[in-house]
Amino acid sequence: DGGITQSPKYLFRKEGQNVTLSCEQNLNHDAMYWYRQDPGQGLRLIYYSQIVNDFQKGDIAEGYSVSREKKESFPLTVTSAQKNPTAFYLCASSIDPRGHQPQHFGDGTRLSIL
Amino acid sequence: AQKITQTQPGMFVQEKEAVTLDCTYDTSDQSYGLFWYKQPSSGEMIFLIYQGSYDEQNATEGRYSLNFQKARKSANLVISASQLGDSAMYFCAMREYTGGFKTIFGAGTRLFVKA
Repeated sequence: DGGITQSPKYLFRKEGQNVTLSCEQNLNHDAMYWYRQDPGQGLRLIYYSQIVNDFQKGDIAEGYSVSREKKESFPLTVTSAQKNPTAFYLCASSIDPRGHQPQHFGDGTRLSIL
Repeated sequence: AQKITQTQPGMFVQEKEAVTLDCTYDTSDQSYGLFWYKQPSSGEMIFLIYQGSYDEQNATEGRYSLNFQKARKSANLVISASQLGDSAMYFCAMREYTGGFKTIFGAGTRLFVKA
């Protein structure tokens, strides 16, 4: 079945460590997105990509980095510069980069600090 | 700045009754789109319904309907015949353009369905 796969489901980060969250989609969607969700709150956009080899910062990009070398993959790296990384991270994709179509979401990754 | 406001942090509804979740938005764009998503406790986001700013009819999808009042800038979600499985967080979202096309989300409303 087509969909978005995020891994791992749970991730623990040590102080000063970079960690990478995986997001893969087989929906042939052009646009991909990374969101952060803190407990009891809505989604905030970290980075998004509307086409391969191009991406833009969202509202809370500091301390994060991404790449989009392949259409189906959009990994997110949480760097040591992100001082409060504990959150639920959701990856999404959409067939329409202009946003007229809904986004399809993965099951998320829960990141915690050790 | 464009934004989404959901003023109800939590709502209770009796099983089999209808419930309305409020959403107001702020935009200066003439062309925009509004979405509703459901997030169960497991965390995944599920798309429910979409309304385009130029759509003349209110959107409907099964038990979900969107009460779109353009002049008041509101896009309330109506769930008819509530079921226990409807208990979840519900997010209103809007497409915006600020150098790129993005979707912004409201803070959400947690719905509790009582048996």
